[in-house]
Amino acid sequence: GAVVSQHPSRVICKSGTSVKIECRSLDFQATTMFWYRQFPKQSLMLMATSNEGSKATYEQGVEKDKFLINHASLTLSTLTVTSAHPEDSSFYICSASPGLRYNEQFFGPGTRLTVL
Amino acid sequence: GENVEQHPSTLSVQEGDSAVIKCTYSDSASNYFPWYKQELGKGPQLIIDIRSNVGEKKDQRIAVTLNKTAKHFSLHITETQPEDSAVYFCAARILRSYIPTFGRGTSLIVHP
Repeated sequence: GAVVSQHPSRVICKSGTSVKIECRSLDFQATTMFWYRQFPKQSLMLMATSNEGSKATYEQGVEKDKFLINHASLTLSTLTVTSAHPEDSSFYICSASPGLRYNEQFFGPGTRLTVL
Repeated sequence: GENVEQHPSTLSVQEGDSAVIKCTYSDSASNYFPWYKQELGKGPQLIIDIRSNVGEKKDQRIAVTLNKTAKHFSLHITETQPEDSAVYFCAARILRSYIPTFGRGTSLIVHP
């Protein structure tokens, strides 16, 4: 149980285009989902907290107009990187919590974004 | 805010040896300490966790110890195998909160 999927797993796009990444909780409902960014050989950096049916809460320094988050249902959150630039290239990981046990987060497999 | 320090950044062991990864945290309010294993190109997976009212927890070859007074917690892996090779992250948070603070990670390499 507690499986989180992400799609796509890898994406390569041209500079200036927008890319959408989907995060789904497959076997549980998640009122709260999280988006992280991870640079090579570094830890996870929380970008935003996404609550179903409401606006996402962004961490300091994360541009909300650059990284659009939509939590449309209890099982789906999307991250759209708008007008992508090479410096947006990174590994993006989502997580979701069923709100049980210790409010544990379950992580998706990640999406590798490369902006040319 | 919480600050989690993790050491070492890289750990190389021979198959069958034990591996120990240590973390410290700063916020005495933190009471939940999960450990994650991240394989190359994948998301982190929870491997073991401990609450502050417990000093030690074991699950087969892995164990976690917590010294709440000293704000230290450690991951112990015994009889290491090549498939244990991965990056391990410790984290700390307040139980009622969703957001953990992660350590910087330890790259464990188990040589066959």
